[in-house]
Amino acid sequence: GAVVSQHPSWVICKSGTSVKIECRSLDFQATTMFWYRQFPKQSLMLMATSNEGSKATYEQGVEKDKFLINHASLTLSTLTVTSAHPEDSSFYICSARGHRGQPQHFGDGTRLSIL
Amino acid sequence: AQTVTQSQPEMSVQEAETVTLSCTYDTSESDYYLFWYKQPPSRQMILVIRQEAYKQQNATENRFSVNFQKAAKSFSLKISDSQLGDAAMYFCAYRSGSAASKLTFGTGTRLQVTL
Repeated sequence: GAVVSQHPSWVICKSGTSVKIECRSLDFQATTMFWYRQFPKQSLMLMATSNEGSKATYEQGVEKDKFLINHASLTLSTLTVTSAHPEDSSFYICSARGHRGQPQHFGDGTRLSIL
Repeated sequence: AQTVTQSQPEMSVQEAETVTLSCTYDTSESDYYLFWYKQPPSRQMILVIRQEAYKQQNATENRFSVNFQKAAKSFSLKISDSQLGDAAMYFCAYRSGSAASKLTFGTGTRLQVTL
């Protein structure tokens, strides 16, 4: 089946640091990638959608300058949390999809803790 | 906008028994997809089953089957012969058939499996 690799799985860093999370589709070309945030015991909240070679489309309320998304190739998207603060601590999950009609496949998520 | 409602925050089932998780959705579209995802304690999102709206036949994947009632906009998940490994959060999700569509998740149902 389709595999999406997300790294790192857990990161702890100091307030003010920028953190980059990578999302790779290992065995298929990801036309579209999605970034979600999940708070404890809650559902996934879509942050942004990115198509290869295009600027990401952010959901309402998501700060573009805080959460930088790059989708430079059909197999890699990155999420950079800039100048992270404790309130940015959360579980971030990426997913990738090939062509229309195909299901989304999820990475294993990244637990981000900002001290 | 599409909405997905899961009215059961928690459910419990005995091992080897059958349980049904409810999901309703609201849409004015005719072309869409429905999914059930499982999120175990590891927090990995696992696709359980998918249903295309244009298909009348209910999808089945081994012990997992759905009851898709298009007119009622209902999409319930039945788990037969429940196993301890089925314990997880289950999310129902909707996706439009358009090319740039994204997943809309329900709030989830936590399933406990008891001996």
